[in-house]
Amino acid sequence: GQSLEQPSEVTAVEGAIVQINCTYQTSGFYGLSWYQQHDGGAPTFLSYNALDGLEETGRFSSFLSRSDSYGYLLLQELQMKDSASYFCAGPNRDDKIIFGKGTRLHILP
Amino acid sequence: DVKVTQSSRYLVKRTGEKVFLECVQDMDHENMFWYRQDPGLGLRLIYFSYDVKMKEKGDIPEGYSVSREKKERFSLILESASTNQTSMYLCASRHSRDNYGYTFGSGTRLTVV
Repeated sequence: GQSLEQPSEVTAVEGAIVQINCTYQTSGFYGLSWYQQHDGGAPTFLSYNALDGLEETGRFSSFLSRSDSYGYLLLQELQMKDSASYFCAGPNRDDKIIFGKGTRLHILP
Repeated sequence: DVKVTQSSRYLVKRTGEKVFLECVQDMDHENMFWYRQDPGLGLRLIYFSYDVKMKEKGDIPEGYSVSREKKERFSLILESASTNQTSMYLCASRHSRDNYGYTFGSGTRLTVV
């Protein structure tokens, strides 16, 4: 089957670092992307990893290991506005992007 | 600012009605998609289109149809609305060369009563 698994919820403290993991089972896989969605809003694209390794964009970084079928999103210096749901996504064999069910990030002051 | 626009933010329709959800993008994207989002189920693909006049079924097409008469517009049609189609509907688009970069609309929250 084709699926992406991620934790349903993660809680962290303002100013800290949090990692959201994503493991996948897709055939013909060629990249992992991450989206952020605030309550009532649309998902917005955060990052994409086509190759193994770490991609950094400001406070957010994303990592991919294709040999382990695993990736993560790393959020540093957490701010209250980072409270949102985060989705990993990847293409399936039909070149359609499928999404994980999302991780709800709760940030405590 | 480039964007994907969904015609309605909230809709309430009666069971059995035919419902049209409209989506327009101004980025000259070839590919367009319709998802529904439900708590605990994430985003599920209903239909997609890789070009004008083309349409393909996604993972949950039953009870839905689509229309892509112009490149910028992709319409989702609920032939006979049912209460289990109450959901958030999200339209997205991307360039054909992109494997990852969806731009989403703000969503339409549809309630069928």
